[in-house]
Amino acid sequence: DAGVIQSPRHEVTEMGQEVTLRCKPISGHNSLFWYRQTMMRGLELLIYFNNNVPIDDSGMPEDRFSAKMPNASFSTLKIQPSEPRDSAVYFCASSFAVTNYGYTFGSGTRLTVV
Amino acid sequence: KNQVEQSPQSLIILEGKNCTLQCNYTVSPFSNLRWYKQDTGRGPVSLTIMTFSENTKSNGRYTATLDADTKQSSLHITASQLSDSASYICVVSARMEYGNKLVFGAGTILRVKS
Repeated sequence: DAGVIQSPRHEVTEMGQEVTLRCKPISGHNSLFWYRQTMMRGLELLIYFNNNVPIDDSGMPEDRFSAKMPNASFSTLKIQPSEPRDSAVYFCASSFAVTNYGYTFGSGTRLTVV
Repeated sequence: KNQVEQSPQSLIILEGKNCTLQCNYTVSPFSNLRWYKQDTGRGPVSLTIMTFSENTKSNGRYTATLDADTKQSSLHITASQLSDSASYICVVSARMEYGNKLVFGAGTILRVKS
């Protein structure tokens, strides 16, 4: 298995532009998580899906952030409009539901908003 | 409030030396505790996972301990190597209604120098 696959690895965009981050979870995992990591705040959970359904989105910072999981093998995190303070590394992780066994992180997308 | 605190914040040791990283938590109800290693520019990778009944677990030169009574864990690295330079993150899993929720520590940055 190739693990959790995220794209792009790096993204540089201008303030105000729309940014879409992509994630392919490990096949068979039915939970998917989006995180944001910064030096100041560490790893923060943004949203969590179970069987493609959003369960907990309390970590989504504001309405500019949205996430979708149209099927078991794909998820997106969208920021519209982007702001410089959104600059961070965004990680996707997947696992088996409930127990979180097999919890695996992707390599992350480093987002820079200028 | 569910919290995970790690110490020290950063650590520099000489190659070949041993070191111990600490993790204290106030997560309830407790499900399991994990230690992750995060190399610069990469996603976190799981080192160990321990449930309530386990008080030690090893993965090569890494040995994790858990004292569920005092809510403390440690990660001991033996005969350190340059490749051990990374951030080490303690993560405690809380059993929630919809599944387990992970609570992340801020991490300990370890630098091994020759």
